[in-house]
Formats: sequence, C-alpha cells, structure tokens
Amino acid sequence: EVQLVESGGGLVQPGGSLRLSCAASEITFSSHWMHWVRQAPGKGLVWVSRINSDGSTTNYADSVKGRFTISKDNAKNTVYLQMNSLRVEDTAVYYCANYFYWGQGTLVTVSS
Amino acid sequence: QSALTQPASVSGSPGQSITISCTGTSSDVGGYNYVSWYQQHPGKAPKLMIYEVSNRPSGVSNRFSGSKSGNTASLTISGLQADDEADYYCNSYTSSNTDVFGTGTKVTVL
Repeated sequence: EVQLVESGGGLVQPGGSLRLSCAASEITFSSHWMHWVRQAPGKGLVWVSRINSDGSTTNYADSVKGRFTISKDNAKNTVYLQMNSLRVEDTAVYYCANYFYWGQGTLVTVSS
Repeated sequence: QSALTQPASVSGSPGQSITISCTGTSSDVGGYNYVSWYQQHPGKAPKLMIYEVSNRPSGVSNRFSGSKSGNTASLTISGLQADDEADYYCNSYTSSNTDVFGTGTKVTVL
C-alpha cells in the first residue's frame, strides 16, 4: 500500500526555521509532481508549493515565496520543505501529497 | 491567488442528491481541465474524489461525479449517505503555474 509519511514538524519561534520531510513507499517520486498543502487549525486547505518529477521546476504560493524552498531526493524517495523566517500565520498541519495519495500531516506551530 | 469560492454548507437527506459549486475565473477553473475535488473527514487527511474535472479514481463510488461550465465546476453526490458527511474542497491549476483550493463546503446529511 502506498504511504507518504511526513516528519519534522514541531514548535518554533517566529523568525525560526524548520525542515519538513516526506518519505514515500510503493510509489516513486521520479514520475509524479509532489505538493505541500497546509491547513491552519479549524481552517481550509491551502496550497503551498509543488515540485516536478525531476526537481527542475518548483512553484510557490505568494504567501511563502522567498521563505520556503521545496526540494526532492529521488534516490531516497523523499521530498523536503525548508521553511525559513517562519511567522505565526504559518502555524498549520502540513501535508505532502501527489493528490492521489496524501500523508497524515505534520503539525508546525510558530509561537513565542 | 484568491481561493476559489464554494458555498459554506450544503445539506440533504439520505438518498437525495446534492451539488457543490466551485467558482473561479478564466485564469484557473475556466482556463484548464485540471479541477479536482477532495473529501475530508474531521481529523483525517483529504481524499481525492474527482480529478481532471470528471474522472473518478479507482475505488471512489460512482455516486460522486464532477462537471464544469465556464468558470464554475461542480461536484454532485447522488444517493446521499451518512458517511458522505464531511468537508469538501475543490482545487484548480492556475495560469500562474500554481494551484489553488476552494474555501471548502461542509456537507451535512440530515
């Protein structure tokens, strides 16, 4: 069964950094676009970023552009989201997905 | 990158059909056939129900169907069941090479 497992979430102070990871089993990232989607507590889904199959193309939501960086390691079947200059409003559950499959999410809390 | 517009809530009785709308612009919903729909139960990850406007992934009930007209996409759930009670989100590719989700719709089975 396909599984996407996120890790790396936690509590961080405003201005701090975190790196999220998303490891896949049974599917290969090399043939899929991969996305990060977030959901603030009690709020809706918000698209954050995506990366293409060979990692040559990345796109970002305006709200995170210049602060977040998506990358992938096809050999490790892992996608990353480096989050810098974190703000209180970045607090959310972060999901990785290729849309057909979703991870369980990892909670990022930005608070002093 | 404004969210696509969905009704906040839709309700129906068991066995009835309901339709959820998703309104965007010619730069997203109206410009591409890359509209998808997701079901999310409380505390769970989203689940893909429809992709590329009207295609159902393997394992999704044929009670779920999708369509699009102009800048508005729609998800119809027929033969409403108790387990259909959840939040539903649409998603579209945009001309800015990004994706955008809808505001979300809470479906209540009366």
